[in-house]
Amino acid sequence: QQPVQSPQAVILREGEDAVINCSSSKALYSVHWYRQKHGEAPVFLMILLKGGEQKGHEKISASFNEKKQQSSLYLTASQLSYSGTYFCGTEENNDMRFGAGTRLTVKP
Amino acid sequence: SAVISQKPSRDICQRGTSLTIQCQVDSQVTMMFWYRQQPGQSLTLIATANQGSEATYESGFVIDKFPISRPNLTFSTLTVSNMSPEDSSIYLCSATRGGAYTFGSGTRLTVV
Repeated sequence: QQPVQSPQAVILREGEDAVINCSSSKALYSVHWYRQKHGEAPVFLMILLKGGEQKGHEKISASFNEKKQQSSLYLTASQLSYSGTYFCGTEENNDMRFGAGTRLTVKP
Repeated sequence: SAVISQKPSRDICQRGTSLTIQCQVDSQVTMMFWYRQQPGQSLTLIATANQGSEATYESGFVIDKFPISRPNLTFSTLTVSNMSPEDSSIYLCSATRGGAYTFGSGTRLTVV
């Protein structure tokens, strides 16, 4: 079953912050985050495992609350290079299923 | 993480024909995956391919339409058979190693 992402789209000015949320109706053991730029393949950002550990990548961090079956991606002091579509992914029977995506646009 | 070479990168095909997409991984991986992505949309899993066994297809995808081969631990092919314009999409292969999923660069298929 596909995880649910919100919001669908975000427009930021450089330096602003954003939060992208991902939730599932099923128990989660891990959550993945990927970024896809236009015309390119998705690129792995980070994986969060059961235990609530927060991970980081550049100025992008994420949290995972397995009790609430939710994960959030935090983008702080956004840069132009952060623009793209962000997907969360959840593994089910060794298959990765992706949310609908959040289109992030960072403007100068 | 794994590095995946996918080809062709794009093709324009006549309806009723078939196209085979190839993916080569730089190291052995147990599982490979095939996804379809419509422009501006999410990735939809077509099937999972394990070496030495038949591929496992998701609901809505059948082997006769999307036959998959997995002859060894570094290679897989997806064939889109008897194509129609509705098959126009981007097809991506993927593999996982160390937890992260890596994707091929994608095949942009247009059926005319």
